[in-house]
Amino acid sequence: GENVEQHPSTLSVQEGDSAVIKCTYSDSASNYFPWYKQELGKGPQLIIDIRSNVGEKKDQRIAVTLNKTAKHFSLHITETQPEDSAVYFCAASWDQGAQKLVFGQGTRLTINP
Amino acid sequence: EPEVTQTPSHQVTQMGQEVILRCVPISNHLYFYWYRQILGQKVEFLVSFYNNEISEKSEIFDDQFSVERPDGSNFTLKIRSTKLEDSAMYFCASSVWTTNEKLFFGSGTQLSVL
Repeated sequence: GENVEQHPSTLSVQEGDSAVIKCTYSDSASNYFPWYKQELGKGPQLIIDIRSNVGEKKDQRIAVTLNKTAKHFSLHITETQPEDSAVYFCAASWDQGAQKLVFGQGTRLTINP
Repeated sequence: EPEVTQTPSHQVTQMGQEVILRCVPISNHLYFYWYRQILGQKVEFLVSFYNNEISEKSEIFDDQFSVERPDGSNFTLKIRSTKLEDSAMYFCASSVWTTNEKLFFGSGTQLSVL
């Protein structure tokens, strides 16, 4: 079955700098890749997603890139702000197969003022 | 903004007891899910539910687990005889028209089995 690996497990950056979180997946049939942000005491919140027919997607300060050949995708956050501090999860799924999201381990991002 | 609501936020139970975790999905959503996260581990899929029946379940979702949509708004997860290893954060999620995509998660129920 699908396996998703996420790195790093913790990331600390200065406010205003960029943050990059990377994920790799094992099943080449996966075609949907969402990113979730989890703040303390809350459930995961979808922040951006990408399908396999697209290489890059951007929404204001966040962007996701996908390399299907290498089977990895990344989350990029630019001009980081204190409110970006949270745990970020990547996930993968295949809409023609098992009806589930497979999550990475999570990255705890801390923005230092 | 509509949200998925879960109750209770914390549940403590004795091993062997039955627990019911409750969720109110977003009103126009058609697909419902339960995921769980054991402390320090990945978020794991348990079950998906559509049109009043299970559409997919993981190997974790054994006979001790069941789901139900008892009325037009609630979606429940029942664990019949809890085990220590069932201690986890349980997340309910819903999506509007297709599985997997655009899942909205609730804040979770932290289940502690003693």
